[in-house]
Amino acid sequence: KAGVTQTPRYLIKTRGQQVTLSCSPISGHRSVSWYQQTPGQGLQFLFEYFSETQRNKGNFPGRFSGRQFSNSRSEMNVSTLELGDSALYLCASSLTARDPGELFFGEGSRLTVL
Amino acid sequence: ELKVEQNPLFLSMQEGKNYTIYCNYSTTSDRLYWYRQDPGKSLESLFVLLSNGAVKQEGRLMASLDTKARLSTLHITAAVHDLSATYFCAVDLAGNQFYFGTGTSLTVIP
Repeated sequence: KAGVTQTPRYLIKTRGQQVTLSCSPISGHRSVSWYQQTPGQGLQFLFEYFSETQRNKGNFPGRFSGRQFSNSRSEMNVSTLELGDSALYLCASSLTARDPGELFFGEGSRLTVL
Repeated sequence: ELKVEQNPLFLSMQEGKNYTIYCNYSTTSDRLYWYRQDPGKSLESLFVLLSNGAVKQEGRLMASLDTKARLSTLHITAAVHDLSATYFCAVDLAGNQFYFGTGTSLTVIP
């Protein structure tokens, strides 16, 4: 059974550019959530989608957005990149909306902003 | 805002020794998760604790949850080098909205 797949795995952008990251959840999983991991702030929740609806959003500026498609695949977009956006972006999928809510993580997309 | 604190942040221990990692959280929740992360890798689910008094064991690791004290522990028994990794606890506040602890970087020394 395939796990959570994230693309691209690595990317380098410059300040002011935008980036789109993709996540394919485990087959049958309908919830997809996104996390940012940095050495300074640790793991922080970005947003969560279930059945194409954003259910929860973390404390990030509006430059961070996402969406989910009917096949449960998800994308997140960061516009007007800043140096501080350099991070590992992790996508996680879950079978249901809450019970039991165990998250399965992908390998992540490592973004470097120059 | 929910705060999740782990201690210690760094742990260096000899093979064969026992130790406990603590995870405290600041608000009521009955859902506590433990994850492992190897350098440059993603997060691997270790334990899912869903009720007060829950105890789960896998190999040399045992996790427990005390919801009244808002405390979870991850106990390591007779550590081996393969357990070297960073361990995170996480609390699910609103349904797949996880708040992670700061992580405990464990190094097991031969």
